[in-house]
Parts: sequence; structure tokens; C-alpha cells
Amino acid sequence: DVKVTQSSRYLVKRTGEKVFLECVQDMDHENMFWYRQDPGLGLRLIYFSYDVKMKEKGDIPEGYSVSREKKERFSLILESASTNQTSMYLCASSSPGGGNSPLHFGNGTRLTVT
Amino acid sequence: GESVGLHLPTLSVQEGDNSIINCAYSNSASDYFIWYKQESGKGPQFIIDIRSNMDKRQGQRVTVLLNKTVKHLSLQIAATQPGDSAVYFCAESHNAGNMLTFGGGTRLMVKP
Repeated sequence: DVKVTQSSRYLVKRTGEKVFLECVQDMDHENMFWYRQDPGLGLRLIYFSYDVKMKEKGDIPEGYSVSREKKERFSLILESASTNQTSMYLCASSSPGGGNSPLHFGNGTRLTVT
Repeated sequence: GESVGLHLPTLSVQEGDNSIINCAYSNSASDYFIWYKQESGKGPQFIIDIRSNMDKRQGQRVTVLLNKTVKHLSLQIAATQPGDSAVYFCAESHNAGNMLTFGGGTRLMVKP
């Protein structure tokens, strides 16, 4: 089975802090994604990557950046955390599949910014 | 704009009954559809997918039906069990390299 591991289940950070959310997948997937999940808003795509050192903006990239130095690892960075970034963050990976392959999700990191 | 949505935010069923969760989509170019299950405290878990060249696909206790004419997708769960209690999401893509658009989710509650 595909395993997507997010390093932290819960994080509490202060406004203005730099925050790193780490994600590792063990299936040699090319594609990796970061979503945030908020009540009433569903899953929204922040950034994604199709290859090492490659990144593309999703629907809500403002306030975030990403890093993909190795194929198995995709990091989400909050340069200066703000309270409106309090959310559940979900990492996912998939094989290329020509657009027709499922995403495999980690169990999420619940970030609280105070 | 294009969107994926769900008809019912909450569905309550008796244990042992069949459940049907519905989803409407608006993009006629959508060609791939997925259902996910998300239990409390966990990430979404892939259940079943279907491509637009099919109208039905069956898994273990689950069936997905696709009606392209009315742009409607449904997930049927046979003999619903307490462990099926979760939020269910539909998602679609349209040949855009795994750029899935997710619906808002339906909460399934199973009564013992």
C-alpha cells in the first residue's frame, strides 16, 4: 500500500513564525500535492509538484511556498504564519497516470496559529 | 465556474441498509471521477474511481454509478456498517494531469 507520511499530526505556532510541514511518500510517485481543508470550504490545492525541483501554484498559493529537493519529500513552508492559516493540511501523492490516477493522502497536520 | 457539489450534506442510515451518496458535477469535459472516504482524524482514503467511458463500476460492497447525461455521480454502499460512518467526497478531473476538483463532502452516519 502507498504510504504518505506527514511528520506532525498537530502543530501550534505563533503569528510571524516560519513553519515547515514535511511530507514523505514511499511509492516513488512523481506527483505530490499540498491541500488545506477547512469546514465549509472543502479541500483546496495550495501547491503541487510533478518532479524534483519543480513546483506549480494551485488555487490558493498566497502565503505559502514549497520545496521538492528529493522525489519522495515535499515540504510546505509558511514564511510568516498568520492566524488565517490555521487549518488542516493534507499532503498527497500520485503516479503520473495521464491525469487518471487517484491521489493518496497522508493523515494530515492540524496547524493552529495563535 | 465549474464545480463539483453534493446534494446532501448529511445522510443518516440504519445499519444493514444500503446507502446512496450523490454528487453533481458541472464540467461536461470531466472524464475521471473518484470517491474518497475520510474518517475522523484521518486523511481521505481512496474508495473507487470510474472513467467517463463507463457508467458503472463495482468494488467490495461499493458501486459507483455515472450518468453523463445529467452529470451525476453516486456512490452506493451495500449493507452499511458502523465502520462506514465518515465523510465522503467526490472529485473529478478533466485531463488536467491529476488536478482534482473536490466536492464539499457528505457525512454518512450509521445508526445501530
